[in-house]
Amino acid sequence: QVQLVQSGAEVKKPGASVKVSCKASGYTFSNYDINWVRQATGQGPEWMGWMNPNSGDTVYAQNFQGRVTFSRNTSKSTAYMELSSLRSEDTAVYYCARGGVPEYWGQGTLVTVSS
Amino acid sequence: SYELTQPPSVSVSPGQTARIACSGDALPKKYAYWYKQKSGQAPVLVIFEDNKRPSGIPERFAGSISGTMATLTISGAQVEDEADYYCYSTDSSGNQWVFGGGTKLTVL
Repeated sequence: QVQLVQSGAEVKKPGASVKVSCKASGYTFSNYDINWVRQATGQGPEWMGWMNPNSGDTVYAQNFQGRVTFSRNTSKSTAYMELSSLRSEDTAVYYCARGGVPEYWGQGTLVTVSS
Repeated sequence: SYELTQPPSVSVSPGQTARIACSGDALPKKYAYWYKQKSGQAPVLVIFEDNKRPSGIPERFAGSISGTMATLTISGAQVEDEADYYCYSTDSSGNQWVFGGGTKLTVL
């Protein structure tokens, strides 16, 4: 069965960077896009962008341009999302999700930004 | 930036029909998708490409589109349908995806 397993919760200080991993299993990793979505407590989901694991092509949401980087390691069937220059407003649960339109989702990774 | 607009809340009694609207300028040309989300859980896709149901989604969930408005209809709403619902689509370029602000559906 399709599974996306994300790395554990992180606590970061303002100005730092965070890198979240997303390990895929149950399907051929290179065949499906990976989207990244975040959700702050009490807020709706916010699309961050997507990556084609086969080509490495990426599209970033305008709100995150210049601050977010998607990457992958195809030999490990793992996608990564790195967000830099963190601020308190970046505190949220970060999800990876498979598909051009997300259908299978990871369990989420809580990133807390606090001094 | 592109926006999808939803009502903050909809309330129905069990067995009634719930309708949740989503408006966006690009919807006449771009597909609408709908997600259901319960507290503490990841979103679940309930409608794709305007009006198609993924396998496992009950037939009481239906999607429709008219001009710049997409609508999620839940016929005979049940208590377990109580959740937040989000529409999802892309701007006219097809490159920037966005979620609607969400609608809290109450069934009681």
